[in-house]
Amino acid sequence: DAGVTQSPTHLIKTRGQQVTLRCSPKSGHDTVSWYQQALGQGPQFIFQYYEEEERQRGNFPDRFSGHQFPNYSSELNVNALLLGDSALYLCASSTLRGQSSYNEQFFGPGTRLTVL
Amino acid sequence: RKEVEQDPGPFNVPEGATVAFNCTYSNSASQSFFWYRQDCRKEPKLLMSVYSSGNEDGRFTAQLNRASQYISLLIRDSKLSDSATYLCVVKTSGTYKYIFGTGTRLKVLA
Repeated sequence: DAGVTQSPTHLIKTRGQQVTLRCSPKSGHDTVSWYQQALGQGPQFIFQYYEEEERQRGNFPDRFSGHQFPNYSSELNVNALLLGDSALYLCASSTLRGQSSYNEQFFGPGTRLTVL
Repeated sequence: RKEVEQDPGPFNVPEGATVAFNCTYSNSASQSFFWYRQDCRKEPKLLMSVYSSGNEDGRFTAQLNRASQYISLLIRDSKLSDSATYLCVVKTSGTYKYIFGTGTRLKVLA
């Protein structure tokens, strides 16, 4: 059973550039959430996708956008990169289907983005 | 005030010790609670969900106190492999947003 996968694992960009990160959810999961984790901090919620729509958004500017595809995989796009966007970007998948209503999230290994 | 607060530590404890972490949350409408474990430069991994009546999984016990708005994690008989950062996570009713604390670092010493 494949877990959550993300690509690429590492990325180096310069200020002003644009980046696209990719995520495939755990098998059987239909919901994808994206988080930004700066060094020494907990993950911060960016947004969540369900049924190809952004269902909720955290306190992130419009430079952060996303997409979910019919196969439930997702992309995170960040435009006009700033030095402060350097972080670990985590994707988490979940589902409300099945017996558990607790909606536990499972994380991918993350993409480490460095902006120079 | 942060929505979810944790003591960042680090907690340095000897092998075999019992250690407890607390986490407070500010929104009384919070509905779901979790503890995640994160190793250095790795992704968070679900340790346990926290149920209203409290729950135990081997050496780990989680408790929820809704009146005082805190959750706790107790680790008994600490192992070297328990060294990690423990993240408290809260989800509020009516939202899809999971709110993480900054994490508590635990170092178990030989």
